[in-house]
Amino acid sequence: DAKTTQPPSMDCAEGRAANLPCNHSTISGNEYVYWYRQIHSQGPQYIIHGLKNNETNEMASLIITEDRKSSTLILPHATLRDTAVYYCIVRALISGYALNFGKGTSLLVTP
Amino acid sequence: DAEITQSPRHKITETGRQVTLACHQTWNHNNMFWYRQDLGHGLRLIHYSYGVQDTNKGEVSDGYSVSRSNTEDLPLTLESAASSQTSVYFCASSDSGLANTQYFGPGTRLTVL
Repeated sequence: DAKTTQPPSMDCAEGRAANLPCNHSTISGNEYVYWYRQIHSQGPQYIIHGLKNNETNEMASLIITEDRKSSTLILPHATLRDTAVYYCIVRALISGYALNFGKGTSLLVTP
Repeated sequence: DAEITQSPRHKITETGRQVTLACHQTWNHNNMFWYRQDLGHGLRLIHYSYGVQDTNKGEVSDGYSVSRSNTEDLPLTLESAASSQTSVYFCASSDSGLANTQYFGPGTRLTVL
């Protein structure tokens, strides 16, 4: 699976958009980009995933660059409950179904 | 609603005892996983299963075992608990498919004294 690089921490004001970047410059053509988050003391929660097109769901938007070497998770209107560690995971189908969590980005949403 | 549950949520045991952590999912997912999470290491895969009677070792499987006798359950057994196994344990499940996602349980906090 491709290696990912995320900033260790970010801040965001409540009500503003939170843009979390992820670099995955060695991504292969069959690898998906997944985003999960983990709120303190809870199990990780799936947010969104994509292959090459931008994706949007009720939680967030995922923007993948045309060369697929980086992506951005966008939380359009961050709330205090969005404070969590956000993990960007790139996973190849041939490597099976297990997820390789890295360090992630600790997002702090402030009032 | 379908869900994934873990029990117990908290457990304190002594070194050398056998401990079993339960994981139950009602999604009818084929794939189930056990992870442990420790400070400084993030989430690490212990064991996983792609279906009934199938089990596989993950990155940190020593001292742990699993068995899959039905679709809904994947119990994790610590044969002889050690202090190094003090951790938070998460179970997850996913459906088969090209872009499946994993759904995690609430976790079990295990302390081995």
